[in-house]
Amino acid sequence: KAGVTQTPRYLIKTRGQQVTLSCSPISGHRSVSWYQQTPGQGLQFLFEYFSETQRNKGNFPGRFSGRQFSNSRSEMNVSTLELGDSALYLCASSLELAGVYEQYFGPGTRLTVT
Amino acid sequence: KQEVTQIPAALSVPEGENLVLNCSFTDSAIYNLQWFRQDPGKGLTSLLLIQSSQREQTSGRLNASLDKSSGRSTLYIAASQPGDSATYLCAVRPYNDMRFGAGTRLTVKP
Repeated sequence: KAGVTQTPRYLIKTRGQQVTLSCSPISGHRSVSWYQQTPGQGLQFLFEYFSETQRNKGNFPGRFSGRQFSNSRSEMNVSTLELGDSALYLCASSLELAGVYEQYFGPGTRLTVT
Repeated sequence: KQEVTQIPAALSVPEGENLVLNCSFTDSAIYNLQWFRQDPGKGLTSLLLIQSSQREQTSGRLNASLDKSSGRSTLYIAASQPGDSATYLCAVRPYNDMRFGAGTRLTVKP
């Protein structure tokens, strides 16, 4: 079974631009979560989607948004990029079967804002 | 607010040693605790998942324990190998998100 895939793997953008990252979960997984990882702040939760609905949101500004499609694929968008948005963005999917919630992570998208 | 702490931040051991990584969390109201491994610049690989009702899980040379009442988990690695060198992260799931520790960077020297 294929793992979680994220595209693109690397991205360089300029301050003020916007960016869209994509995540395809493991087949059958309906839950997708997004995280930002930086050397200073570590791994921080952005938001989680389940069956096309945002179930929870972390403490990030409104410039960060996401959505999930009917096939469980998810996208996150960052508008008006700032230098501090440079990070590794990780997506994770979960099956959520019988109360068991185990997350499987993709390889991440490395975003550099110049 | 749930906070997760991992000690030590870095650890260097000779090959073959048994070692213990520690994780503590401030709120015992969790659904589960998950240990991950992360290689430099890569995503996270799930190692072990412990449900809140469980005390421990084992996979090969890895054993993880959970003491919810004291807010602690340990990851035991037996007979360490150079290939075990990576950053190890623990994460707890309070509700609909995951809270991660800062990780322990492990180096196993040949």
